[in-house]
Amino acid sequence: GQNIDQPTEMTATEGAIVQINCTYQTSGFNGLFWYQQHAGEAPTFLSYNVLDGLEEKGRFSSFLSRSKGYSYLLLKELQMKDSASYLCAVRDNTNAGKSTFGDGTTLTVKP
Amino acid sequence: GAVVSQHPSWVICKSGTSVKIECRSLDFQATTMFWYRQFPKQSLMLMATSNEGSKATYEQGVEKDKFLINHASLTLSTLTVTSAHPEDSSFYICSARGLASNEQFFGPGTRLTVL
Repeated sequence: GQNIDQPTEMTATEGAIVQINCTYQTSGFNGLFWYQQHAGEAPTFLSYNVLDGLEEKGRFSSFLSRSKGYSYLLLKELQMKDSASYLCAVRDNTNAGKSTFGDGTTLTVKP
Repeated sequence: GAVVSQHPSWVICKSGTSVKIECRSLDFQATTMFWYRQFPKQSLMLMATSNEGSKATYEQGVEKDKFLINHASLTLSTLTVTSAHPEDSSFYICSARGLASNEQFFGPGTRLTVL
């Protein structure tokens, strides 16, 4: 099975940088995803890492270290609309490739 | 990106009735679909995984006779909540993945309220 840990809540200031960490323990790893979810809405895809290193996409970057079972999501130039829940999900290596989600980190961006 | 739709977006029903939720991939063939349930302020909980043309694989603790899943085509999966009770009230979300794709595309969710 999989065990995923991420902080429950974080607060940051508009224009700043924030890093959301995720640690995981898994019996079979086939990729790590970050999703953004606004209240009352379904999640939207942010990033995917399967190899070690940093993936950058605009203001968002995601890092993975498979040996440490660790990932982070980096958000730069924070905007008020970035206030949301950020979900870390680990995909297993079975044929179905299902993803197990962490409990999410609620980020509040303040002016 | 790919689009996944869900219908209805919200539904209110009486206890004891059955509710069917449809999940469609609009511009790609979804070989695998996932059904999740999310209670307020909690994370997504995977209920079942379905591959087109085969029986769904249910997660531990999810009653397959209560939550009927059908994935009859590469663009449509349905979840039927049978004999719904107030404790089944939740936000039900489907996601779909195409063949050889790393990304899951989520539907907008269906909010079910059982009175």
